[in-house]
Amino acid sequence: GAVVSQHPSRVICKSGTSVKIECRSLDFQATTMFWYRQFPKQSLMLMATSNEGSKATYEQGVEKDKFLINHASLTLSTLTVTSAHPEDSSFYICSARDLGGNYEQYFGPGTRLTVT
Amino acid sequence: DAKTTQPPSMDCAEGRAANLPCNHSTISGNEYVYWYRQIHSQGPQYIIHGLKNNETNEMASLIITEDRKSSTLILPHATLRDTAVYYCIVRAEGGSNYKLTFGKGTLLTVNP
Repeated sequence: GAVVSQHPSRVICKSGTSVKIECRSLDFQATTMFWYRQFPKQSLMLMATSNEGSKATYEQGVEKDKFLINHASLTLSTLTVTSAHPEDSSFYICSARDLGGNYEQYFGPGTRLTVT
Repeated sequence: DAKTTQPPSMDCAEGRAANLPCNHSTISGNEYVYWYRQIHSQGPQYIIHGLKNNETNEMASLIITEDRKSSTLILPHATLRDTAVYYCIVRAEGGSNYKLTFGKGTLLTVNP
């Protein structure tokens, strides 16, 4: 089946530093990937839609200069949290649409970010 | 605005069927009903989806009412590993309507 990986699975960083999270579709191509954020005991909130070769589309209230998204290939999208602060600590999850299949979205296992 | 309504939590005995309801009274004719689940600290997992006919796969069955205003996800023989938050989502197909908007879902707890 379609597999999406994320790296790293957990990361701890100091306030003010930047962190990059990778999302890869392992066995299918995905021109569209999505980035979600989930705070404890809350649901997933869509942050942005990432399209290969073009600029990401951010949801209302998400700072595009703080959450940099790059989708350079059909199997890789990256999310960089710039100048991270403790309030950015969250569970970040990506998903990818399978173009070759039935356009379903497949989710990665998530990345736990802790900013100290 | 939430397009679906689900009970916040449900309990089920191991080995019994788990029936999870979802209300989507404002669903449009071109919108599908999707079900995902999220086990604690993992990414969501696709379960099943349907338009108007009942659907069944190796994981679950989806029963959609004739007026399409509600549906029920059925896990025929729940196991402890089925404990998760289950999300019912309505979404149109094609064009720019591919976003999945997650509500609060139902926390299903399967008890031994």
